[in-house]
Amino acid sequence: EAGVAQSPRYKIIEKRQSVAFWCNPISGHATLYWYQQILGQGPKLLIQFQNNGVVDDSQLPKDRFSAERLKGVDSTLKIQPAKLEDSAVYLCASSSIGNYGYTFGSGTRLTVV
Amino acid sequence: DQQVKQNSPSLSVQEGRISILNCDYTNSMFDYFLWYKKYPAEGPTFLISISSIKDKNEDGRFTVFLNKSAKHLSLHIVPSQPGDSAVYFCAASVQRGNEKLTFGTGTRLTIIP
Repeated sequence: EAGVAQSPRYKIIEKRQSVAFWCNPISGHATLYWYQQILGQGPKLLIQFQNNGVVDDSQLPKDRFSAERLKGVDSTLKIQPAKLEDSAVYLCASSSIGNYGYTFGSGTRLTVV
Repeated sequence: DQQVKQNSPSLSVQEGRISILNCDYTNSMFDYFLWYKKYPAEGPTFLISISSIKDKNEDGRFTVFLNKSAKHLSLHIVPSQPGDSAVYFCAASVQRGNEKLTFGTGTRLTIIP
């Protein structure tokens, strides 16, 4: 089966600019996650969708971050405006409902300068 | 507040020997634990998991041990192979049906040929 697709792979932006990341999960996976991994730390959940509804967005900085999953398939994560501390790898993952061993994409490495 | 801790940032092991990676947690509500393996420029991949009702789970060369009273789990790899060189993340979940994972900071394992 095809894996979780993410784009772009790398992005460099200046602070206060906006940026968007795209994720296409594994076909049939109802649950989609966005994680943020800052260098030297473990991944941290930003938002979890089940189909096109939000299950958990408690750690999403909603003043600058937004995410949507239209039609319960693809998802986009947006940052506006970006701060230096947003420099990280943004990982998308998907799973079937109740499955913990979910599949991650390769991530988007964001550098904010 | 780091609820999942991996206190060894790095570990080097001779090829063919046993690799032991350790993980401690503080949240007594965690009841499902997983290990993920990550190569550079790739997303983490699921390796093995264990439920809190068990104290051991084995899959080929990989065995995970859980000591609930000590809030400690470990991953044993026997025998270690060069392809095992990667960053290993421990992760935990609060309850079945909630797939949100809390990750540790990772341990970089290097297998020396």
